[in-house]
Amino acid sequence: GQNIDQPTEMTATEGAIVQINCTYQTSGFNGLFWYQQHAGEAPTFLSYNVLDGLEEKGRFSSFLSRSKGYSYLLLKELQMKDSASYLCAATDSNYQLIWGAGTKLIIKP
Amino acid sequence: GAVVSQHPSWVICKSGTSVKIECRSLDFQATTMFWYRQFPKQSLMLMATSNEGSKATYEQGVEKDKFLINHASLTLSTLTVTSAHPEDSSFYICSARDPASSYEQYFGPGTRLTVT
Repeated sequence: GQNIDQPTEMTATEGAIVQINCTYQTSGFNGLFWYQQHAGEAPTFLSYNVLDGLEEKGRFSSFLSRSKGYSYLLLKELQMKDSASYLCAATDSNYQLIWGAGTKLIIKP
Repeated sequence: GAVVSQHPSWVICKSGTSVKIECRSLDFQATTMFWYRQFPKQSLMLMATSNEGSKATYEQGVEKDKFLINHASLTLSTLTVTSAHPEDSSFYICSARDPASSYEQYFGPGTRLTVT
């Protein structure tokens, strides 16, 4: 079956670094997305990885290992506004998105 | 970036009535649109995949006669919740796929439906 696993909730301190992990099992693979979703709002795109390695975009970076079925989202210099849910989604052979349940990130001052 | 709009942003209706939600891709042609439902503190649940000019593909457990989807043009898909019940109250989100952009899905702002 197809499955995405990510932690349910994480807590971090303002100014610190946090890594949110995601493991996936899909029928075929055509890339992995990370989305940010604030409460009551729709998801917004953060990153897309299809090749192995690290993609850096400002304070956010995303890593992919296709052989391990593993990705992580790294958030640096955390700000209070980064408190949100972070959704990992892998695309299967039909380019359908398989969604994780999301990781709720709580930032403390 | 690509923009997807949704209308209305929120709606309150009485049990037994029908509600139509529109999803539009504003600056690209979307051959495929997706409808999601999200209950509080839960992740997105894909309801159906809407393909322009053909019937929607519904996920297991989603009643196609209750949630009517029409994708009549490359920029518009509609979801009609028929004979709404209070348990249909949820956050409905559409997304549209732009084939020119790594198959990324662009999300609409969502529609909060409350059935009384």
